Amino acid sequence: GAVVSQHPSWVICKSGTSVKIECRSLDFQATTMFWYRQFPKQSLMLMATSNEGSKATYEQGVEKDKFLINHASLTLSTLTVTSAHPEDSSFYICSARTGGTDIQYFGAGTRLSVL
Amino acid sequence: KQEVTQIPAALSVPEGENLVLNCSFTDSAIYNLQWFRQDPGKGLTSLLLIQSSQREQTSGRLNASLDKSSGRSTLYIAASQPGDSATYLCAVTSLSGNKLVFGAGTILRVKS
Repeated sequence: GAVVSQHPSWVICKSGTSVKIECRSLDFQATTMFWYRQFPKQSLMLMATSNEGSKATYEQGVEKDKFLINHASLTLSTLTVTSAHPEDSSFYICSARTGGTDIQYFGAGTRLSVL
Repeated sequence: KQEVTQIPAALSVPEGENLVLNCSFTDSAIYNLQWFRQDPGKGLTSLLLIQSSQREQTSGRLNASLDKSSGRSTLYIAASQPGDSATYLCAVTSLSGNKLVFGAGTILRVKS
């Protein structure tokens, strides 16, 4: 089956620093990648949708200058949390979809803790 | 705006019981509905996907039904096992935007 790798699985950083999370599709070409955020005991909220080679489309209320998304290749998308603050602490999950299908394959998630 | 609700929020059952998880959505204009499993601190595993034209899907001990007109889906788990303990998430793909909208999930605990 299709595999999506997300790295790192857990990161702790100081307030004010930036953190980059990678999402890779290992055995298929991901024309579209999605980034979600999940607070404890809550559901996943879509942050943005990115298509390879174009700018990401952000959901309402998500700051695009704070959450930088790059989808430079068909197998890699990155999410950079810039100038992280404690309120950015959350579980971030990516998913990937290949063209011609509506199935999203999910990464294992990244737990971000900002001190 | 599509909203997905899951009931109950949490469920604890003894091993071997059959159980039903419920999902409802406000906008019936959906492309498909999916049930996912999420283990603590982990990503999502897709369990079943039902296209809008389908009524149900089955995989092993799992059966999911879809009543699009009433905005409801159920996930039936037969002969539950402790390994089934996890959070089960329901999500719909809207016709507009082709995005997944998730419910808050049902936390299932199967006691041995």
